Amino acid sequence: GAVVSQHPSRVICKSGTSVKIECRSLDFQATTMFWYRQFPKKSLMLMATSNEGSKATYEQGVEKDKFLINHASLTLSTLTVTSAHPEDSSFYICSASRGGISNTGELFFGEGSRLTVL
Amino acid sequence: AQSVTQLGSHVSVSEGALVLLRCNYSSSVPPYLFWYVQYPNQGLQLLLKYTSAATLVKGINGFEAEFKKSETSFHLTKPSAHMSDAAEYFCAVSNTGFQKLVFGTGTRLLVSP
Repeated sequence: GAVVSQHPSRVICKSGTSVKIECRSLDFQATTMFWYRQFPKKSLMLMATSNEGSKATYEQGVEKDKFLINHASLTLSTLTVTSAHPEDSSFYICSASRGGISNTGELFFGEGSRLTVL
Repeated sequence: AQSVTQLGSHVSVSEGALVLLRCNYSSSVPPYLFWYVQYPNQGLQLLLKYTSAATLVKGINGFEAEFKKSETSFHLTKPSAHMSDAAEYFCAVSNTGFQKLVFGTGTRLLVSP
């Protein structure tokens, strides 16, 4: 199956700093990528939809200035948590959908990135 | 609005026993329904999906799920549990295919020898 990779898998940062998480589709071009946040014992919450070359679409209640999403190429989307605070500590997961004629719509998920803000 | 309810945050079975993970959905339009599995430190992997074709859907690793509109359910089953089935399972619903999935809270399957 298609491979989506996230980096870093774990990151610890101080309060007030910014953290960037990368999501790469390793063997396919992803026209659309999604960013989710997973709280402990909770479901995945869709944060935003990212389309290559255009601005991300954020879900209601998600601060776009807090969670900056960039999808500059067909294989890379980044999530930057700006001025991170302890309440931003969470597990962030990306998923990607193939583009072109091979697009079945199926989502391929990254392994997730655990952010801990001290 | 769509939603998914997964009954039981944890389900424990013995190896070889039947696995039944429950999922009930709410959707104002005919739904697309999915089951994903998440192994520790890994991303979610699609087990199976319902897209308005056959109501009994077979997936990978011997899992299957049956769409029951009258019960608004999409329960996941496997006749005989294996130790390697121990993982977190998520049910999800969408009204746009794979896009914009709404996930349940997940059920952790524990398999004992």
